Amino acid sequence: IAGITQAPTSQILAAGRRMTLRCTQDMRHNAMYWYRQDLGLGLRLIHYSNTAGTTGKGEVPDGYSVSRANTDDFPLTLASAVPSQTSVYFCASSDSLAGGHEQFFGPGTRLTVL
Amino acid sequence: GQNIDQPTEMTATEGAIVQINCTYQTSGFNGLFWYQQHAGEAPTFLSYNVLDGLEEKGRFSSFLSRSKGYSYLLLKELQMKDSASYLCAVMDSNYQLIWGAGTKLIIKP
Repeated sequence: IAGITQAPTSQILAAGRRMTLRCTQDMRHNAMYWYRQDLGLGLRLIHYSNTAGTTGKGEVPDGYSVSRANTDDFPLTLASAVPSQTSVYFCASSDSLAGGHEQFFGPGTRLTVL
Repeated sequence: GQNIDQPTEMTATEGAIVQINCTYQTSGFNGLFWYQQHAGEAPTFLSYNVLDGLEEKGRFSSFLSRSKGYSYLLLKELQMKDSASYLCAVMDSNYQLIWGAGTKLIIKP
């Protein structure tokens, strides 16, 4: 089934622990994005990747890192989690090189850092 | 700075029409998007406007005025399933989306 998958669906994490959120798409989209969504705020871009092998910083990149080793996968790593990183994380992709700016979203990961 | 404004919450009646407004100030403009997000779910694409005017798609229409930095989403013949948050987003000069906080639409029978 075409689309984006994220794992885990939810996670409770102790502060200071390392965590990787996984994101995989099978639509062969060139661009991928990581957002966080907090109550009362719009989606905020953490990191993005326009093509495999390249990444860029978004609005709120501190405390997060990403890699894009291939077209399909775009993992997000929290090196040492802090409570302010409690949020819902969405991965998205778009076929921007073909002029498609619509972003398709994964189901999200709900992360709680205690 | 970049800013997207939309009402926090709106209430409407089943079968009626509702208009959700969005105003924006961004560094550059490469289109405006509307997404729908049901509680606990991912946003899903509704519409994209890059030129001034009205785009109609079934019960949903979206309007854009670039000179006024203004858009609205019009929902007709409201159904209970339209209860959701509606997110306005503008693509800036770097082709990144700047998102509003969303408008929670409550539909009453």
